[in-house]
Amino acid sequence: QSALTQPASVSGSPGQSITISCTGTSSDVGAYNYVSWYQQHPGKAPKLMIYAVSNRPSGVSSRFSGSKSDNTASLTISGLQAEDEADYYCNSYTSRDIHVVFGGGTKLTVL
Amino acid sequence: QVQLQESGPGLVKPSQTLSLTCTVSGGSISSGGHYWSWIRQHPGKALEWIAYIYYSGGTYYSPSLKSRVTISVDTSINQFSLKLSSVTAADTAVYYCARGAAAAYYFDSWGQGTLVTVSS
Repeated sequence: QSALTQPASVSGSPGQSITISCTGTSSDVGAYNYVSWYQQHPGKAPKLMIYAVSNRPSGVSSRFSGSKSDNTASLTISGLQAEDEADYYCNSYTSRDIHVVFGGGTKLTVL
Repeated sequence: QVQLQESGPGLVKPSQTLSLTCTVSGGSISSGGHYWSWIRQHPGKALEWIAYIYYSGGTYYSPSLKSRVTISVDTSINQFSLKLSSVTAADTAVYYCARGAAAAYYFDSWGQGTLVTVSS
């Protein structure tokens, strides 16, 4: 059981927007602006998409955005494209002795 | 652009020690501002953080693996390593090395991953 809770799957049609939630606690997501999001295609390494809640690394499409409210962080993908189909993981720093926690992952299907 | 590459045996026998090395290129492990981490992913499962180390040698381990894990760094050859002792089939996974940003705890560069199977 992962420390951060994500929906197992989400889907959307090309051009639509989807949001993936990541729910933690007051020891991680709620306490720090250290939430990051990763995209992982099958057989590939994860790729950083969002860091520090809402910052995009250079080269990541502006269609990807992040936000946070209380203990829940969210990743929104607008203008869905076929290549967005992948698994997405959230990650946060935590004050608990584990230091780093990941979500269970969300499979995005582009219909 | 920094690049990371894992290396090590793809097959380890039960009860033995899993040893992996991550070679960093395109940047120095000693440059500061980053920590160097190992993360694994069981087949079809989520990512699981194992440990990280600063270039100065400071280490942090996942509590669930702490008793069996050692992470080390060799700045002279720009490598860091993972040792996981007393392995079982439950340690079969893809192991990734990754660079973390010390200021904000995110992983901005990843190795391609290496599958380690624990089997006799």
